[in-house]
Amino acid sequence: GAGVSQSPSNKVTEKGKDVELRCDPISGHTALYWYRQSLGQGLEFLIYFQGNSAPDKSGLPSDRFSAERTGGSVSTLTIQRTQQEDSAVYLCATTAGGLETQYFGPGTRLLVL
Amino acid sequence: GNSVTQMEGPVTLSEEAFLTINCTYTATGYPSLFWYVQYPGEGLQLLLKATKADDKGSNKGFEATYRKETTSFHLEKGSVQVSDSAVYFCALIRPSGNTPLVFGKGTRLSVIA
Repeated sequence: GAGVSQSPSNKVTEKGKDVELRCDPISGHTALYWYRQSLGQGLEFLIYFQGNSAPDKSGLPSDRFSAERTGGSVSTLTIQRTQQEDSAVYLCATTAGGLETQYFGPGTRLLVL
Repeated sequence: GNSVTQMEGPVTLSEEAFLTINCTYTATGYPSLFWYVQYPGEGLQLLLKATKADDKGSNKGFEATYRKETTSFHLEKGSVQVSDSAVYFCALIRPSGNTPLVFGKGTRLSVIA
C-alpha cells in the first residue's frame, strides 16, 4: 500500500483480556518495528523484524508481549492478560532494507480499563 | 548505551518567533540523527535527518546541523507558524542501519497567533 496501516485505530479492553494489534507495512519493506508511546515514557522500542531473520525482542517489557510477522509482510502484536499500564499508543514502522528512514503508521491507541 | 536528551516542553511561541529545540545525544560510533514531528491527531512523520558530522538537514523551513564536537542536533526555524504546533522528537539510529530508533521524550510546541 501507499503507507503503513494499523488496525484497529482504537481499542478499549478490560484488564486481563488479550488483544491483537495489526500492522500492514509498505509493500516491499523488509524491516518492521513496533514501538510504544506512553505518557511519561516517551517512545520505546518493542520488537524488530528483518526479513527471515529471528526477530530482535530485546524491547519487549514482559513475556505477556509477543509478535509475529507472517510471510514477511503483515505483523501482529499480541498482549496477553492486559494490565492498565499497557495503555499506550502502539506504533508500527517499516523501512526498506539498507535504508534508515522509518515510516510510521498512525498507531493503535489501547486503553485497558 | 545510546540515548537522546531534548529540552522539555511545552514551548509556547507567538507566530513569526524564532524556534530552537535543543537535542543532545550519547552514542557509540557515528549515528544518524533525525527529527520526527507528530501533528495533532496524526502519526509520526520524518521532518529532517543528517547522517554524518556537519551535515545540515532541512525541510519546511526547519534546520538542524549534526555537531559531532558537541554531540548535538538542535532544531531551528526562523519564523514559526500556527501550523507548526506539534510534538517534535529527536532520534538517533546506529550507523549500521536497520536498527531501532532511540527517541528523546519529545517537545510539545504551541504557536499562537
